[in-house]
Amino acid sequence: AQSVTQPDIHITVSEGASLELRCNYSYGATPYLFWYVQSPGQGLQLLLKYFSGDTLVQGIKGFEAEFKRSQSSFNLRKPSVHWSDAAEYFCAVGIMEYGNKLVFGAGTILRVKS
Amino acid sequence: DTAVSQTPKYLVTQMGNDKSIKCEQNLGHDTMYWYKQDSKKFLKIMFSYNNKELIINETVPNRFSPKSPDKAHLNLHINSLELGDSAVYFCASSQDSVAWGYTFGSGTRLTVV
Repeated sequence: AQSVTQPDIHITVSEGASLELRCNYSYGATPYLFWYVQSPGQGLQLLLKYFSGDTLVQGIKGFEAEFKRSQSSFNLRKPSVHWSDAAEYFCAVGIMEYGNKLVFGAGTILRVKS
Repeated sequence: DTAVSQTPKYLVTQMGNDKSIKCEQNLGHDTMYWYKQDSKKFLKIMFSYNNKELIINETVPNRFSPKSPDKAHLNLHINSLELGDSAVYFCASSQDSVAWGYTFGSGTRLTVV
């Protein structure tokens, strides 16, 4: 079955430090992969997506992610974290079969300390 | 202009009541969805509609009934509310292909007391 694993429930980084959030997926076909961010009390905002081409994708707010097929991973990175990046981050895989749906990971809460 | 709007934003109601949540999108998308986010923040799809036709119904109790009067609207009606229905419900929309991702509404926090 299709699934997404985000191994880290919480991550704390210092402001200005680099960030990497991990995501592994399980899906037989070529995946469509996404990262969303959810600030407290808000909806989900799309940060970036991958569905073909260059395996390093750039997103909004200075985020990037790299697709590694051999590792079934799609990790999110940012070189220098800002306090406003504190939020919950969700990785998702797009499933074309069964009616086009996104399957989400459990999320990673990012805390930024000053 | 809000792309995907849900109303109400907050809903507090007693067990056994019937309530509805409305969703509208002005993006011209063909597909709309309802997701439930539980207390642990886990997001799970409930329903999807494509151009008013039900496509996905993910083992949701039949107390939950989606209705799509046109492709820009997808409402969620819940009968006989239970404590376990307390959650945040998100509406979303997308073009036909999931490759484009979804645009989410800001959510409706339902609390059943």
